[in-house]
Amino acid sequence: EAGVAQSPRYKIIEKRQSVAFWCNPISGHATLYWYQQILGQGPKLLIQFQNNGVVDDSQLPKDRFSAERLKGVDSTLKIQPAKLEDSAVYLCASSPPGWGGASNTEAFFGQGTRLTVV
Amino acid sequence: AQSVSQHNHHVILSEAASLELGCNYSYGGTVNLFWYVQYPGQHLQLLLKYFSGDPLVKGIKGFEAEFIKSKFSFNLRKPSVQWSDTAEYFCAVNARQGAQKLVFGQGTRLTINP
Repeated sequence: EAGVAQSPRYKIIEKRQSVAFWCNPISGHATLYWYQQILGQGPKLLIQFQNNGVVDDSQLPKDRFSAERLKGVDSTLKIQPAKLEDSAVYLCASSPPGWGGASNTEAFFGQGTRLTVV
Repeated sequence: AQSVSQHNHHVILSEAASLELGCNYSYGGTVNLFWYVQYPGQHLQLLLKYFSGDPLVKGIKGFEAEFIKSKFSFNLRKPSVQWSDTAEYFCAVNARQGAQKLVFGQGTRLTINP
């Protein structure tokens, strides 16, 4: 089974520039997550989709971050304009239908995109 | 909203030592609990998970964890660590109600000296 695919793997941009990350979840997975992982910290949930609807985006800095999941499959996360403190690894994860309740499922993670803002 | 606290930021052990990493969560309802591991240069991988039943769960590579509901804890254990266990370990929880967000702790970096 193919895993969660993310691109690019690495990105270096100057502050105030814009950047976009792409995620292709595992086929058939209804839930998709974007996390921000700053060096030395745990992953912080930015946004969670259920199919193509947003379940939670309470920690997404909406003045500069946006995310969409077209047709309930692929997703993009955009930052515009970037700040120095956005330097982090951006992780995408997905989980199958039935996630979260009593069903025995888990979230699967991609390799992440390492963003450096200079 | 749920939150997760991991007590140890960095743990250093010698090979064959026993390991216990602490994890406490805060949430009043029913939860699912996870331990993920991130080896250097690799993506997050599931070590083990608890959904229901026996509170002592066994995972891959000889790891186990015990869910103690009264203490809101889900500590990770391994009786004898190996150099290859050097990695970052994350405890995570999702509430079964509401948005069912998957929330992570801040992680524990484990270094095993040969």
